[in-house]
Amino acid sequence: EVKLQQSGDELVRPGASVKMSCKASGYTFTDYAMHWVKQSPGQGLEWIGTIIPLIDTTSYNQKFKGKATLTADKSSNTAYMELSRLTSEDSAVYYCARSPITIAASYYVMDAWGQGASVTVSS
Amino acid sequence: DIRMTQSPASLSASLGETVNIECLASEDIYSDLAWYQQKPGKSPQLLIYNANSLQNGVPSRFSGSGSGTQYSLKINSLQSEDVATYFCQQYNNYPPTFGSGTKLEIK
Repeated sequence: EVKLQQSGDELVRPGASVKMSCKASGYTFTDYAMHWVKQSPGQGLEWIGTIIPLIDTTSYNQKFKGKATLTADKSSNTAYMELSRLTSEDSAVYYCARSPITIAASYYVMDAWGQGASVTVSS
Repeated sequence: DIRMTQSPASLSASLGETVNIECLASEDIYSDLAWYQQKPGKSPQLLIYNANSLQNGVPSRFSGSGSGTQYSLKINSLQSEDVATYFCQQYNNYPPTFGSGTKLEIK
């Protein structure tokens, strides 16, 4: 069974950073890309970026460049996202989601999702 | 970025009914469109990709159609477990973008 297990909810101060994890199981980690998606009441679903763990390559939505940093650890089948200089606009639920590695546009079709991690930015 | 406009924003239908959800792209996306279902308190799950291809394990009462800028998701014989919010996503143009969702309830 494919499973993406995300780390827990976070309450963080404005200006701080937070790093969340997404542990993959049930499939070969390096055969897939890992995406991160933000869900907030005001903005709906937003694609943040993706990492290809096999070659450690990342690509980001321009909107999240400088805000999000994606990494992956092949030895533990875990992807990470760090969000920096947090503001109230970053309060949201964040999902990791995988997609097959392909040169086709369907590279961005996400066929399995983590359970989500809520980040609340508050003093 | 391509804007994805979904309609209606919410929908109430009876069990056994057929419902249609529409998604309009701000430009041609050449059928590079997916539909996701998000049940209350859960994460999104892939239903349809390439506008009309059913993801493995998804009931056949779900179907997708469309081309160009106009796409739709059809649910036949509505079941209670179909209560959810449905999102479309385009992936023809970078960055991929989502519609704002259609919330489906049972009458």
